[in-house]
Amino acid sequence: QTVVTQEPSLTVSPGGTVTLTCASTTGAVTGGSFPHWFQQTPGQPPRPLIYSTSNKYSWTPARFSGSLLGGKAALTLSGVQPEDEADYYCLLYYGGWVFGGGTKLTVL
Amino acid sequence: QVQLQESGPGLVKPSQTLSLTCTVSGGSISSNDHYWSWIRQIPGKGLEWIAYIYYSGTTYYNPSLKSRLAISVDTSKNQFSLNLNSVTAADTAVYYCARYIGGSREFDYWGQGTLVTVSS
Repeated sequence: QTVVTQEPSLTVSPGGTVTLTCASTTGAVTGGSFPHWFQQTPGQPPRPLIYSTSNKYSWTPARFSGSLLGGKAALTLSGVQPEDEADYYCLLYYGGWVFGGGTKLTVL
Repeated sequence: QVQLQESGPGLVKPSQTLSLTCTVSGGSISSNDHYWSWIRQIPGKGLEWIAYIYYSGTTYYNPSLKSRLAISVDTSKNQFSLNLNSVTAADTAVYYCARYIGGSREFDYWGQGTLVTVSS
């Protein structure tokens, strides 16, 4: 069974840049796994940010971008805002959909 | 804009069946290439994809849950449903319904979620 791993926690300063990654136990993450990224704040459902590696929704702030980096899916936040403090989940497709364990991003 | 709303009992006894319904508004559940999904989140933990269904009734299940799962769609009511049998405390979670678009491989609209507790 595929396991998808993310950094448990990261801290970034306001205005800074941070990259969250998403790895798979089956090997390098590719576009064929259609990486997704979601943001979740307490008491709210996950909010989709990125689909199929790098595609944004109309509501996705421009400072969020998705890519493939070193065999992993990556979510980069440039010019971090205090409201970006949240849990971030990636999602990959391996014949079925598998979520990562999430990254708790602290803006401090 | 599409909206999804989960409904169902908030408390289920162990060994019984968890049943939830998702009502879709602002769009047709019979739209081409739209699949209707269930996803859950154990409190304080991560997310787990459960299954999705096409309006024709074609289903796709998470293998780890498949033996206990049944999902169905009612196009006349613009609803789809989840039944998970033989539940245990490990099935206590917030259950979300969401729309999946097959061509672009995206989960775009989600319900607010409903907490189901399995307890006697």
